Amino acid sequence: NAGVTQTPKFQVLKTGQSMTLQCAQDMNHNSMYWYRQDPGMGLRLIYYSASEGTTDKGEVPNGYNVSRLNKREFSLRLESAAPSQTSVYFCASIPGYTGELFFGEGSRLTVL
Amino acid sequence: EDKVVQSPLSLVVHEGDTVTLNCSYEVTNFRSLLWYKQEKKAPTFLFMLTSSGIEKKSGRLSSILDKKELFSILNITATQTGDSAVYLCAGSFVGRTYKYIFGTGTRLKVLA
Repeated sequence: NAGVTQTPKFQVLKTGQSMTLQCAQDMNHNSMYWYRQDPGMGLRLIYYSASEGTTDKGEVPNGYNVSRLNKREFSLRLESAAPSQTSVYFCASIPGYTGELFFGEGSRLTVL
Repeated sequence: EDKVVQSPLSLVVHEGDTVTLNCSYEVTNFRSLLWYKQEKKAPTFLFMLTSSGIEKKSGRLSSILDKKELFSILNITATQTGDSAVYLCAGSFVGRTYKYIFGTGTRLKVLA
């Protein structure tokens, strides 16, 4: 079972560059989430999606866009990366509309 | 604004000690509280609590929720060095789907 898969696992960008973090789950889960984790800040919710085609802002959405084109995949895009976006990004999903959050392994992004 | 607060921020104990980690929340439409353990990578699920006053146990770990006073505790008895980790709590709140807001975590270090 792959569970929640994130790519890439590591990425270094220069300020102003764009990139997309990919997330896919094979558990037929409905809702998916993107979090960022910074030292001493816990996990902060960027965006989430209740179902295909729907997305909602979380606590820290500025500078990010998301896309939920199908049930399996939920991507996070940085259009113009900034050093403040250096972080570890986690994708997660839940079965149904509540329950345990299943996390991917994380993607470490550094913006120079 | 929905908020989850954990205390203490960090804790150092010796093997065999018992520890209590605290999590309080201020939310609208609260549904459940979750505890996770995070070592080097993705958080791993410990407990989900939805009913007040009912203790959940798993080995040396146990947790309880007080919905009247809006807090939860995680107890770890007979601590071991393998319990060293960051412990995260999250509150889930209903909206279009369930939104999960995390606290900043408690960093526990268990000394041999």
